[in-house]
Amino acid sequence: DAMVIQNPRYQVTQFGKPVTLSCSQTLNHNVMYWYQQKSSQAPKLLFHYYDKDFNNEADTPDNFQSRRPNTSFCFLDIRSPGLGDAAMYLCATSRDYLRFVGGQKQADQPQHFGDGTRLSIL
Amino acid sequence: AQKVTQAQTEISVVEKEDVTLDCVYETRDTTYYLFWYKQPPSGELVFLIRRNSFDEQNEISGRYSWNFQKSTSSFNFTITASQVVDSAVYFCALSEANYGQNFVFGPGTRLSVLP
Repeated sequence: DAMVIQNPRYQVTQFGKPVTLSCSQTLNHNVMYWYQQKSSQAPKLLFHYYDKDFNNEADTPDNFQSRRPNTSFCFLDIRSPGLGDAAMYLCATSRDYLRFVGGQKQADQPQHFGDGTRLSIL
Repeated sequence: AQKVTQAQTEISVVEKEDVTLDCVYETRDTTYYLFWYKQPPSGELVFLIRRNSFDEQNEISGRYSWNFQKSTSSFNFTITASQVVDSAVYFCALSEANYGQNFVFGPGTRLSVLP
């Protein structure tokens, strides 16, 4: 059974029209991630949530927002999609943060990925 | 800044051949984790392995094996007796403990296993 579910699998939107991508998980993991993957490139982390704490990557455009109303769901909102935002968007989860000696925390690596939502911009 | 290099953009092999995917990393941190992921044509990323910087013991899992060499900053992945189902893009990744919170993927190597 799928543990990280992304809907829809394919999304088409118009240039400048807001769009929301959905991710849900049945693992009860604390951490949820959103990645953007353009054709023939590696996934690029946009942001992640640890529980309700939002962690944005420094180079994530302001156009990209996220919401996590509860443990199971996380949404990616693109406020005004441009042609350059056409990509596969991957949601992932991990159970918790890694903990190193000295108490310094770091997000665990993403362990479970959804199948992704491929976003096209017309 | 941390960096992951996968010099092989694409590799093609014939079924049953062994194939090694190279991964070279750069970090100034002494504590870090290395990973391999598989992304088949269907698109989902599949976690394969995680190795911390203090554990240089090589690992074998079925037809998969990993060779971690700190002296050369490499974490290579070998598939023995490759199968068509191994065709995928394989990503190496690095996560630092102290100097960066980012989890960074390499550019990936596309492996095609031909029947």
